[in-house]
Amino acid sequence: QLVLTQSPSASASLGASVKLTCTLSSGHSSYAIAWHQQQPEKGPRYLMKLNSDGSHNKGDGIPDRFSGSTSGAERYLTISSLQSEDEADYYCQTWGTGSVVFGGGTRLTVL
Amino acid sequence: QVQLVASGGGVVQPGGSLRLSCAASGFTFSNYGMHWVRQAPGKGLEWVAFIRYDGSNKYYADSVKGRFTISRDNSKNTLYLQMNSLRAEDTAVYFCAKADYGGNSAVVYWGQGTLVTVSS
Repeated sequence: QLVLTQSPSASASLGASVKLTCTLSSGHSSYAIAWHQQQPEKGPRYLMKLNSDGSHNKGDGIPDRFSGSTSGAERYLTISSLQSEDEADYYCQTWGTGSVVFGGGTRLTVL
Repeated sequence: QVQLVASGGGVVQPGGSLRLSCAASGFTFSNYGMHWVRQAPGKGLEWVAFIRYDGSNKYYADSVKGRFTISRDNSKNTLYLQMNSLRAEDTAVYFCAKADYGGNSAVVYWGQGTLVTVSS
């Protein structure tokens, strides 16, 4: 079964970097994912599509501070030079034959 | 630029029906698959349904299968979600979203959402 696992919370200091993790279920390590950001009281925003080889395609206007990487079944979102507006929920998403799955989301707190 | 404007939300009694619409502009609607995704109050994102660019394939989450129907009118650049036999647990903000390409794929653009409340 296609499942994405995310840690419920993360925190990092203003100006620092943070790496969020999304883990694909067993047997699905070749799947691409997408990362989405949802700031408080706002709708989601597409950040990037991240392929299994680590290549990624960012959405329009997404700053260079946001980058993606891959290791096996793990998909990462790294945010550098953290700003207050980066405090948000981050969701990963993947898709297979006849289905789409979202991870449970990671709430990022900027200290 | 891409615009997705969802409408049709409101308050409905359990067992009732509602049809959501999503007006698309700023891209060639007929070339892209489309998703509906929902978010219950205080909860995470839950995928609801997907339709291929030409309407030839439709996929549903188990939680809505048999009750919800996704459709599209490419001549009107509009996506729909017919929701029947509504339950309290269907209460959520419903977002329409553009897929990366014509088949099942990443959400690459989100609309603004419409609130559906199922309550007596």
